[in-house]
Amino acid sequence: GVTQSPTHLIKTRGQQVTLRCSSQSGHNTVSWYQQALGQGPQFIFQYYEEEERQRGNFPDRFSGHQFPNYSSELNVNALLLGDSALYLCASCFGTGGTEAFFGQGTRLTVV
Amino acid sequence: AQTVTQSQPEMSVQEAETVTLSCTYDTSESNYYLFWYKQPPSRQMILVIRQEAYKQQNATENRFSVNFQKAAKSFSLKISDSQLGDTAMYFCAFLSIQGAQKLVFGQGTRLTINP
Repeated sequence: GVTQSPTHLIKTRGQQVTLRCSSQSGHNTVSWYQQALGQGPQFIFQYYEEEERQRGNFPDRFSGHQFPNYSSELNVNALLLGDSALYLCASCFGTGGTEAFFGQGTRLTVV
Repeated sequence: AQTVTQSQPEMSVQEAETVTLSCTYDTSESNYYLFWYKQPPSRQMILVIRQEAYKQQNATENRFSVNFQKAAKSFSLKISDSQLGDTAMYFCAFLSIQGAQKLVFGQGTRLTINP
């Protein structure tokens, strides 16, 4: 399945954070979502074959990377209190996304 | 841009009852996918059921079925013979087959099954 690390993280405002996602075997597409408390997930960006393919309405402080083994990282710079959320990673094969599998998420708290 | 609206923030039913969760969406596209996801306290999003817009037949997965009304842009989820393990947040989601390949989620409905 899809695994994310760490499961929980506490950072101070202004710091930088890196979240990691290991995609399901055979999946070459990874998408990242931000889920604020009590809200539905919001699309951050999608990586396909190591290239950023789509991006949601998030500032440049949010960046990512996909490695040759299709695992992915989400980096957030200059953390704000409003970045506190559950960050979800989803993987699928190809860019259709109809068979997306989600990880358990990383709970980020910015203090 | 597509939007998804879930008008029921919370619902509660007794075990073994039938419950229906509502979802409406807005799009100008004619072909797309709709999903219901379940998010238990473990936080992992689990796919419950999927509907392709060009298929008129409503999707069914065991105790879960949908009522897809394309003209009304409505996509409700019916859970029959509800079980304690169905307690979770439920999210309706839209996926375009053109342009941005991203899931657009509703705000969610918190469903509680009482013993």
